[in-house]
Amino acid sequence: DQQVKQNSPSLSVQEGRISILNCDYTNSMFDYFLWYKKYPAEGPTFLISISSIKDKNEDGRFTVFLNKSAKHLSLHIVPSQPGDSAVYFCAASVPNAGKSTFGDGTTLTVKP
Amino acid sequence: DTGVSQNPRHKITKRGQNVTFRCDPISEHNRLYWYRQTLGQGPEFLTYFQNEAQLEKSRLLSDRFSAERPKGSFSTLEIQRTEQGDSAMYLCASSLVVDPTDTQYFGPGTRLTVL
Repeated sequence: DQQVKQNSPSLSVQEGRISILNCDYTNSMFDYFLWYKKYPAEGPTFLISISSIKDKNEDGRFTVFLNKSAKHLSLHIVPSQPGDSAVYFCAASVPNAGKSTFGDGTTLTVKP
Repeated sequence: DTGVSQNPRHKITKRGQNVTFRCDPISEHNRLYWYRQTLGQGPEFLTYFQNEAQLEKSRLLSDRFSAERPKGSFSTLEIQRTEQGDSAMYLCASSLVVDPTDTQYFGPGTRLTVL
């Protein structure tokens, strides 16, 4: 049972436009949600997170939205830049569980 | 701080051989995680340590896999009698137990190829 799902394996957008990456989860015990970015030949790097008590968190060009009732979160990147081209993983954690559950990732391509 | 480091970066071995990977976490981090990642999938949890104690091991992990963190600093992951299905990227990550978000910092990974 995959508790964190990213249903779009890939997304292509034009430079300067908005990128929207989506993530769905099934475990209502998750209380923190994180997005990681991964470039080829590197490990994932933390991008932005959101607590389950919030519905929005913003950091520069990156905004994460959380809809608890729908068990859905999304990452918005505005404006998108070619350097944003990478694989984006959604992850979720349960309090004191000591581990995160990852989705399978969405490959974002930003075209100049 | 140089971040999380992993050695070797690449390992090619023949089926049936044993392999060992090393992970050096960020020095003040007390949690250390091992993940496996195959093409098109996200990191799959294998095991994690808090200091030197191994607190959880995935039930998907066969008995051929063992991990240690003897002094609560670096960790090793050993795979015995490797199989072709073990070919994957093995990722190590570390975090601080006091961080409620469980933000993890990943190393570059060790890519294992079993021939």
